[in-house]
Amino acid sequence: GENVEQHPSTLSVQEGDSAVIKCTYSDSASNYFPWYKQELGKRPQLIIDIRSNVGEKKDQRIAVTLNKTAKHFSLHITETQPEDSAVYFCAASRGAQKLVFGQGTRLTINP
Amino acid sequence: DAGITQSPRHKVTETGTPVTLRCHQTENHRYMYWYRQDPGHGLRLIHYSYGVKDTDKGEVSDGYSVSRSKTEDFLLTLESATSSQTSVYFCAISESVGSSPLHFGNGTRLTVT
Repeated sequence: GENVEQHPSTLSVQEGDSAVIKCTYSDSASNYFPWYKQELGKRPQLIIDIRSNVGEKKDQRIAVTLNKTAKHFSLHITETQPEDSAVYFCAASRGAQKLVFGQGTRLTINP
Repeated sequence: DAGITQSPRHKVTETGTPVTLRCHQTENHRYMYWYRQDPGHGLRLIHYSYGVKDTDKGEVSDGYSVSRSKTEDFLLTLESATSSQTSVYFCAISESVGSSPLHFGNGTRLTVT
């Protein structure tokens, strides 16, 4: 089955700098890759997703890139702000298979 | 926000007692899921449902059972709670499986003493 690995497990950046979180997946047939943000004590919420027919997707300060050949996808956050501090989860799935989540990255934005 | 209500939000119970967590949705989504979240393990799927009375196991299903008698309700039961089941439990829903996003409830924090 699918296996998703996420790195780094913790990330600390200065406010205003960029943050990058990377995930690798094992199933080359995976075609759906969402990213979730979970603030402390809250539920995970979808922030952006990408499908395998697209190489990059942007939404304001966040973007996701997908490299199908290397089987990895990344979350990019530019001009980071204190409210970006949270745990971020990537996930992958194919067809009618269930989502498999990465282990999560705790992002801290330092003022 | 998706209409998902989990109850209770917090529960403390003793080892060996049965516990039932409830998830109620108002979105009429076909697919419902139960996850547990533990430090260092991310979100792990316990059970899921693809329709009324249709359920299947996830990756960490031992010690848990589920039931779905109505589209809107998905129950998770710990038959005999153990300390290893202390966790935060999230219910989620989706319109389809695999290619559509999950929407999560607010979670239930369960402590087994």
